[in-house]
Amino acid sequence: AQKVTQAQTEISVVEKEDVTLDCVYETRDTTYYLFWYKQPPSGELVFLIRRNSFDEQNEISGRYSWNFQKSTSSFNFTITASQVVDSAVYFCALSEARTGTYKYIFGTGTRLKVLA
Amino acid sequence: EAQVTQNPRYLITVTGKKLTVTCSQNMNHEYMSWYRQDPGLGLRQIYYSMNVEVTDKGDVPEGYKVSRKEKRNFPLILESPSPNQTSLYFCASSPPPGGLKLFFGEGSRLTVL
Repeated sequence: AQKVTQAQTEISVVEKEDVTLDCVYETRDTTYYLFWYKQPPSGELVFLIRRNSFDEQNEISGRYSWNFQKSTSSFNFTITASQVVDSAVYFCALSEARTGTYKYIFGTGTRLKVLA
Repeated sequence: EAQVTQNPRYLITVTGKKLTVTCSQNMNHEYMSWYRQDPGLGLRQIYYSMNVEVTDKGDVPEGYKVSRKEKRNFPLILESPSPNQTSLYFCASSPPPGGLKLFFGEGSRLTVL
């Protein structure tokens, strides 16, 4: 069965610190997608990144980077030099594409607090 | 402006009184889906739809119905709401292929007394 685990419920850091949000997933499929979404205090949900199971290349976008490792079933998210605006709840998600449909499983989220 | 619109944004109702939460998108997306967000449980998918007249259950479909008669609309129906359906609900749509980049609505906070 599909499962996404975000073991860190809440993390607090001081501005400019680096922080890594962990995501571990379980799936029996060989074709799947992994995602990160951000939910700032205002409540909306915003797409950050998608990776497919055949692409283990790490990705960097500004201060954000993602490390996908199939060997450990992990898709971790690192924010470098964190800022107060990074304070949000971050959700990791998995979608299997075996049948051509896209059923989503989200993790329980990690609340990141960046203190000035 | 490209958006997903949910209504109502806030609703307090009583057990057993049927209600519908509407969801409409103006991006011509084929994929639409509903989620509920509860403290400690994250987001859980209720139903999703790959296209008009094609719907499927997510992880927590019990107590909910959906219909997809038009591409732009995907209403969530609670035939007989119960207090355990008190939650924050999100609708989302995605461009093809499938649900590979979700655009979310602003959320609908539902309280069932």
